Amino acid sequence: GAGVSQTPSNKVTEKGKYVELRCDPISGHTALYWYRQSLGQGPEFLIYFQGTGAADDSGLPNDRFFAVRPEGSVSTLKIQRTERGDSAVYLCASSYGGDTQYFGPGTRLTVL
Amino acid sequence: DQQVKQNSPSLSVQEGRISILNCDYTNSMFDYFLWYKKYPAEGPTFLISISSIKDKNEDGRFTVFLNKSAKHLSLHIVPSQPGDSAVYFCAASYGSGSARQLTFGSGTQLTVLP
Repeated sequence: GAGVSQTPSNKVTEKGKYVELRCDPISGHTALYWYRQSLGQGPEFLIYFQGTGAADDSGLPNDRFFAVRPEGSVSTLKIQRTERGDSAVYLCASSYGGDTQYFGPGTRLTVL
Repeated sequence: DQQVKQNSPSLSVQEGRISILNCDYTNSMFDYFLWYKKYPAEGPTFLISISSIKDKNEDGRFTVFLNKSAKHLSLHIVPSQPGDSAVYFCAASYGSGSARQLTFGSGTQLTVLP
């Protein structure tokens, strides 16, 4: 079956602009996670959805970051007033009530 | 404060030999551990996992060992193949049901030489 998909694969933007990153989880997976991976590091947790609600957003670095999952499937990560330090690979993962999370290919965000 | 540490950024092994990747953790609440493999420009791919109630889990060429008293786990790959060359991440979690954010190490680049 289809895995987790993320669009766009690459996004280049200018400092101060607004960006949206999209994640399509594996069909039927109720849990959805966003992570951010900087160069040379492992992924870092941002936010977790169970269904439509954000069950844990403790990893969001500040209030410029926001994520939604209005229908309990597709999720969008939104970053306002982007800064150069936001440049990273943004990874989405999904799971079905279990411990194993399955990751998408990521969106590489570059803020100039 | 890194709760999950992979102290070896790189490892080179000859094809056919054993690869051993190590991981240490500090948070005693972690009760589930996973290994992911990552190729360039791709997302992490789940490899193998282990619950804290076990000390070993095996899947084909891959075996994960957990030493809770030492807060240490390792991934053994035998025999190693050139296609195993990738970055390997150790991850840990705790919590109930799906509420399990993963905490990752910084990864180990494995190179299997033909």
